[in-house]
Amino acid sequence: GIQVEQSPPDLILQEGANSTLRCNFSDSVNNLQWFHQNPWGQLINLFYIPSGTKQNGRLSATTVATERYSLLYISSSQTTDSGVYFCAGLYGGATNKLIFGTGTLLAVQP
Amino acid sequence: EAQVTQNPRYLITVTGKKLTVTCSQNMNHEYMSWYRQDPGLGLRQIYYSMNVEVTDKGDVPEGYKVSRKEKRNFPLILESPSPNQTSLYFCASSLLGPVDGYTFGSGTRLTVV
Repeated sequence: GIQVEQSPPDLILQEGANSTLRCNFSDSVNNLQWFHQNPWGQLINLFYIPSGTKQNGRLSATTVATERYSLLYISSSQTTDSGVYFCAGLYGGATNKLIFGTGTLLAVQP
Repeated sequence: EAQVTQNPRYLITVTGKKLTVTCSQNMNHEYMSWYRQDPGLGLRQIYYSMNVEVTDKGDVPEGYKVSRKEKRNFPLILESPSPNQTSLYFCASSLLGPVDGYTFGSGTRLTVV
């Protein structure tokens, strides 16, 4: 079936630490995006990254489409990085459906 | 500022009382979509629209209606809300659809009692 799996499910960091979040997706999913849902519920698009590597400040993402995974790197974490990180991908032949992973809950402690 | 605007942010209503959640985007995006987010179930698509006057069902359309009379607006209508529609709702837009990056609204937390 269609699968977008994220790991780890939960992560606690001390402020200043680095982390890597992983998204594995089945062979019917592509066109990866990463989102951050902050503690107030707002969903922010971090990256649209179907392949390759992108960087935005302390965040970067890499998608290796041929191996069906994407990684989100957070460096020098801050308390404002707390929240849930979702990856989402376009399902196969259907051009209308974005499939979301179950998310990684990140808590950055001061 | 480029954004998707949803209103209201919070709403408590009673069973059966019709309501509309508005969604407007100022980016001239072709594609708009509604999602609901529930604990343990993640984000599920309700309806989407590829362009003006073109709408289609997502995964969980029952109990909802939408319209797309103008490119910028995509309201979500609950004709007769029920408690199982208590949820966090998000509107999203993108220029070309799921092959492009999404911009989400701030969310609407709906409680139906």
